[in-house]
Amino acid sequence: QKEVEQDPGPLSVPEGAIVSLNCTYSNSAFQYFMWYRQYSRKGPELLMYTYSSGNKEDGRFTAQVDKSSKYISLFIRDSQPSDSATYLCAMLLWGKLIFGTGTRLQVFP
Amino acid sequence: EAQVTQNPRYLITVTGKKLTVTCSQNMNHEYMSWYRQDPGLGLRQIYYSMNVEVTDKGDVPEGYKVSRKEKRNFPLILESPSPNQTSLYFCASSGTSGNSYEQYFGPGTRLTVT
Repeated sequence: QKEVEQDPGPLSVPEGAIVSLNCTYSNSAFQYFMWYRQYSRKGPELLMYTYSSGNKEDGRFTAQVDKSSKYISLFIRDSQPSDSATYLCAMLLWGKLIFGTGTRLQVFP
Repeated sequence: EAQVTQNPRYLITVTGKKLTVTCSQNMNHEYMSWYRQDPGLGLRQIYYSMNVEVTDKGDVPEGYKVSRKEKRNFPLILESPSPNQTSLYFCASSGTSGNSYEQYFGPGTRLTVT
């Protein structure tokens, strides 16, 4: 079993839709939970991070962590074509990042 | 501009021909790391360095070497490349290993070994 599982998609939604991206994990010792965004032909960039259970909002993005279920989510409200990218969940354990495989999202006009 | 640079961006080579991919960061970061990204496998760490002259293996170090002689540079060396090392490679850096949840990635190097 992988430490971090993520549905690879692809996920295709119309502009304005609410998008939900999810990851599950197996190691309860993970300290931080992150979402990275990767545009085509670019390196990943940090979108959001959190370290506790609950929700964290940043504009149209909400990161949710449920430590009891070992489940994290990223919600994107009012999705835009510019949100089209691959979204990677990542977890930090003693300075080491462990990534999910990424979910490819396409938002069409 | 704060950035991580990698060179070359694209490389096609033959089995057994030694190559080096350079990585440089201008943010005075202590922590640097190399990843490879493959379809269905995601990003996997090859090697990392917590400071000058301090390097350690990641999850997939076989067939790779690194060195950290200067804080800003962290080259990845393939002494005898093989086709299974065909991949997309990323260098990354962060301030310290403690807050390495925020790693800054380079633009990637696409390597093909024939």
